[in-house]
Amino acid sequence: GENVEQHPSTLSVQEGDSAVIKCTYSDSASNYFPWYKQELGKGPQLIIDIRSNVGEKKDQRIAVTLNKTAKHFSLHITETQPEDSAVYFCAAPDISGYALNFGKGTSLLVTP
Amino acid sequence: SAVISQKPSRDICQRGTSLTIQCQVDSQVTMMFWYRQQPGQSLTLIATANQGSEATYESGFVIDKFPISRPNLTFSTLTVSNMSPEDSSIYLCSVESSGGLGEQYFGPGTRLTVT
Repeated sequence: GENVEQHPSTLSVQEGDSAVIKCTYSDSASNYFPWYKQELGKGPQLIIDIRSNVGEKKDQRIAVTLNKTAKHFSLHITETQPEDSAVYFCAAPDISGYALNFGKGTSLLVTP
Repeated sequence: SAVISQKPSRDICQRGTSLTIQCQVDSQVTMMFWYRQQPGQSLTLIATANQGSEATYESGFVIDKFPISRPNLTFSTLTVSNMSPEDSSIYLCSVESSGGLGEQYFGPGTRLTVT
């Protein structure tokens, strides 16, 4: 099945700096890659996703890039704010093509 | 996006008992999923629940321990049976917005503590 590796496990940045989280996947047939933000005590929230027919997608301060050849995708958060502090998960479809396999998560801390 | 609610939001249960978690969606969806998130860990798929068919369980999860119902296109239940402290986790339901590779949305989770 799909194996998703995520790095780093923790990331601390100062407010206003950029944050980058990277994931790799193993199944070259995978073609959908979502990112989730999970705040303490809440369920994961879909914040951005990318499909394999594009290399980059942006939504205000967040962007995701995809390199299908290298089988990795990254989340970029610019001009970070304290409210960006949360755990971020990348994911890719499992062997069924419907459910998701998740990375281990990155705990992002944005300090004022 | 779909709006998903779960009941209960949290519970503390004694070992050997069972708890049924409900998941309600504000629109009809084909695919529903149940995940487990152990403390400080990532999400692990328990099973896929489609209306009108038996749930499909992932390796390491069995129907006797985690029976699932899916009576209609907006509702599902997950029961955690004969609980032990190792079952202490967050249980999350999710739905897919369309048939295959659609956006997947999660409920708020049920925080279960087994003593």
